[in-house]
Amino acid sequence: DAKTTQPTSMDCAEGRAANLPCNHSTISGNEYVYWYRQIHSQGPQYIIHGLKNNETNEMASLIITEDRKSSTLILPHATLRDTAVYYCIVRSWGKSSGDKLTFGTGTRLAVRP
Amino acid sequence: DGGITQSPKYLFRKEGQNVTLSCEQNLNHDAMYWYRQDPGQGLRLIYYSQIVNDFQKGDIAEGYSVSREKKESFPLTVTSAQKNPTAFYLCASSIQLAGDEQYFGPGTRLTVT
Repeated sequence: DAKTTQPTSMDCAEGRAANLPCNHSTISGNEYVYWYRQIHSQGPQYIIHGLKNNETNEMASLIITEDRKSSTLILPHATLRDTAVYYCIVRSWGKSSGDKLTFGTGTRLAVRP
Repeated sequence: DGGITQSPKYLFRKEGQNVTLSCEQNLNHDAMYWYRQDPGQGLRLIYYSQIVNDFQKGDIAEGYSVSREKKESFPLTVTSAQKNPTAFYLCASSIQLAGDEQYFGPGTRLTVT
């Protein structure tokens, strides 16, 4: 799987949009971008994933650049409960000898009251 | 409620003892995974299983063993051969091995002294 680069930490004000960037310059054509988050001492939670089109669900939006070398996760109206570590993961689709999610150190998002 | 359960939440053991961590899912998922997380780090894959009676080593399998006798259960044994067993252990499952979102349990924090 391609390597991802994320800022170590970010903060935003409650009620404002949180925009979390991720670079994945070595991504290949069949690799998806996944986002998970982990609240302290809990298991990671799936947020969203995409291939090349922008995606939106009830939790967030995912914007992928046209060259697919970077993406941004958008939490439109951040709340205090969104404070967590956010992981950007690039993952191949299809049978493989070891399909796994390769988690880096992620971005620690702090939402301020 | 469907989901993944891990028990106990906290576990303490003396050095030199084997310990087994429980993971049960009622999601009817074929694939199950064990990850380890150290403070401030991402997750690393220990073992994974695609179907009953089959499992494969992940990136850091040394000192660990697993079994998959039932679809819903994937226990992990941390043996005395594991040099640094103190960590947060996370179990996950997905519908199939490749491509699907992984759903995580709440984790077990193991402390070995």
